[in-house]
Amino acid sequence: EVQLVESGGGLVQPGRSLKLSCAASGFTFSNYYMAWVRQAPKKGLEWVATISTSGSRTYYPDSVKGRFTISRDNAKSSLYLQMNSLKSEDTATYYCARHEQLRGYYFDYWGQGVMVTVSS
Amino acid sequence: ETVLTQSPTTTAASPGEKVTITCRASSSVSYMHWYQQKSGASPKLWIYDTSKLASGVPNRFSGSGSGTSYSLIISSIESEDAATYYCQQKSSDPWTFGGGTKLELK
Repeated sequence: EVQLVESGGGLVQPGRSLKLSCAASGFTFSNYYMAWVRQAPKKGLEWVATISTSGSRTYYPDSVKGRFTISRDNAKSSLYLQMNSLKSEDTATYYCARHEQLRGYYFDYWGQGVMVTVSS
Repeated sequence: ETVLTQSPTTTAASPGEKVTITCRASSSVSYMHWYQQKSGASPKLWIYDTSKLASGVPNRFSGSGSGTSYSLIISSIESEDAATYYCQQKSSDPWTFGGGTKLELK
């Protein structure tokens, strides 16, 4: 059974940093692109970052580029999101998600999410 | 960026009714994917590659469309279908989602 379990969320002040983790199990982690997707309270879904199988390629939308860094440790089957210079608009539930294997067009498994609140 | 606009934003239907949710793209996309999210839960892949049902999805659900217009259709709605549905595309960068359609049961 595929499982994605996020951790590391919490309350952080604007301008500070936070690092999220996602522990994966039930599949060969190193064979899949992985992603982070967020959802602000009462709002829709927003893709935040994607990383290739080896970690050599990363992708971000303009809203987080330069502030967020996605990384992975295939030996530990773990995904990470380093979030710097946090803003109030980064307040959201952050989901770890697995990309569909062949083309990466959609997200076939999601974690339960972790809440990040950016506030003074 | 391809913007996805869903309609309606909210809808209510009685058990047994047919429901259609529409997703319009600001530019042509090759495929549309759909997710179901129930209150307090994480999203689940529901329909992929426009018309293929994810594992465990009842066959009262279907998907169709092409170009800039796509639909998720429920032929005969049941109480367990109450949720928010999101469309999503990746034909062009970046991955984008629609704003969601909240489906309620009367």
